[in-house]
Amino acid sequence: DSGVTQTPKHLITATGQRVTLRCSPRSGDLSVYWYQQSLDQGLQFLIQYYNGEERAKGNILERFSAQQFPDLHSELNLSSLELGDSALYFCASSVEDTQYFGPGTRLTVL
Amino acid sequence: GENVEQHPSTLSVQEGDSAVIKCTYSDSASNYFPWYKQELGKGPQLIIDIRSNVGEKKDQRIAVTLNKTAKHFSLHITETQPEDSAVYFCAASRLSGGYNKLIFGAGTRLAVHP
Repeated sequence: DSGVTQTPKHLITATGQRVTLRCSPRSGDLSVYWYQQSLDQGLQFLIQYYNGEERAKGNILERFSAQQFPDLHSELNLSSLELGDSALYFCASSVEDTQYFGPGTRLTVL
Repeated sequence: GENVEQHPSTLSVQEGDSAVIKCTYSDSASNYFPWYKQELGKGPQLIIDIRSNVGEKKDQRIAVTLNKTAKHFSLHITETQPEDSAVYFCAASRLSGGYNKLIFGAGTRLAVHP
């Protein structure tokens, strides 16, 4: 158990819908990262937040957005969902260099 | 752009044999290289990492080597056991001022047969 929690574990929704994925980092970790894992793209970095502020951005679609709240938990919002958005979404947290990953949220778009 | 290539994509060994996975990175400014193990239905778990000021690091049956000149790094697992069966990912990052964007390789599926 990494200490990073993610909810929900599974999410099934339809095209065009909007969903919110939630992540609670390890106690004391200020950085939160979001990654997408799909069969054809592998593990892709989406975005990093540090103490509430955006720190780094990857190939995150404009339909996706994230934020980190004062209690350091983070949410990833995915809107206008397409079939291709079906994937595992991982959150990770760190206090220095080492990133610890949560168990992931499996999103299925039908 | 930033890229990490990982080979092989699948690796099958007999229990007790050694396994070697190799990665090449493109960003010469990369200075942090972690390896993750992912079991079915779970998130990636860090097993070992190395920084660019070190050429080799060992932790029991696991070792990682780094060749900065060639931009290569490798994972070595000795005396493999069935519980080592999983997907292994290498990654590279340019650590700077709290910035830590991991670029992952495509993964290696390791199967250890009893």
